[in-house]
Amino acid sequence: GENVEQHPSTLSVQEGDSAVIKCTYSDSASNYFPWYKQELGKRPQLIIDIRSNVGEKKDQRIAVTLNKTAKHFSLHITETQPEDSAVYFCAASDLYNQGGKLIFGQGTELSVKP
Amino acid sequence: DVKVTQSSRYLVKRTGEKVFLECVQDMDHENMFWYRQDPGLGLRLIYFSYDVKMKEKGDIPEGYSVSREKKERFSLILESASTNQTSMYLCASSLYSHSYNEQFFGPGTRLTVL
Repeated sequence: GENVEQHPSTLSVQEGDSAVIKCTYSDSASNYFPWYKQELGKRPQLIIDIRSNVGEKKDQRIAVTLNKTAKHFSLHITETQPEDSAVYFCAASDLYNQGGKLIFGQGTELSVKP
Repeated sequence: DVKVTQSSRYLVKRTGEKVFLECVQDMDHENMFWYRQDPGLGLRLIYFSYDVKMKEKGDIPEGYSVSREKKERFSLILESASTNQTSMYLCASSLYSHSYNEQFFGPGTRLTVL
């Protein structure tokens, strides 16, 4: 079955620096790749997603890139702020054959130091 | 606003007890999911359901069962709780779509089995 590996497990950056979180997936049929953010004590929430027909997507300070050949996708956060501190999860899905099922990575705990 | 609610935020049960965790969503979503969240392991899918009375096993179904008698309600059942089922349990729901797959999560239930 599909497997998603996420690295690093923890990441500490200074405020204003950039942060990059990387994921790899195993199922070449995967075509949808969302990222969720979970603040301490709160529920995970979708922050950005990308489909396999797009190589990059940007939304203000966050961007996601996808390399289908390498089965690899990444989350980039620029100009980090303390409120970016959270656990981030990547996920992969085949929208056409698995309905709404998502396979999540192990999570990255991002700490932004002021 | 999508609302996904869970019956309890915290539960303490004893080994061998039967435990019911309930999840309700108010947006007429077809898909509902149960995950458990453990540090370093991410969000692991226990069971999911695409429709009323329909269920499918996720990655870690052992020791769990589910029930979906109404579209808005999805219950997770631990037939005989064990200490290794101590965890955070998250419910989620989503619309069925071939182009979009945002899952909306509940606040979570932290279950402790003594």
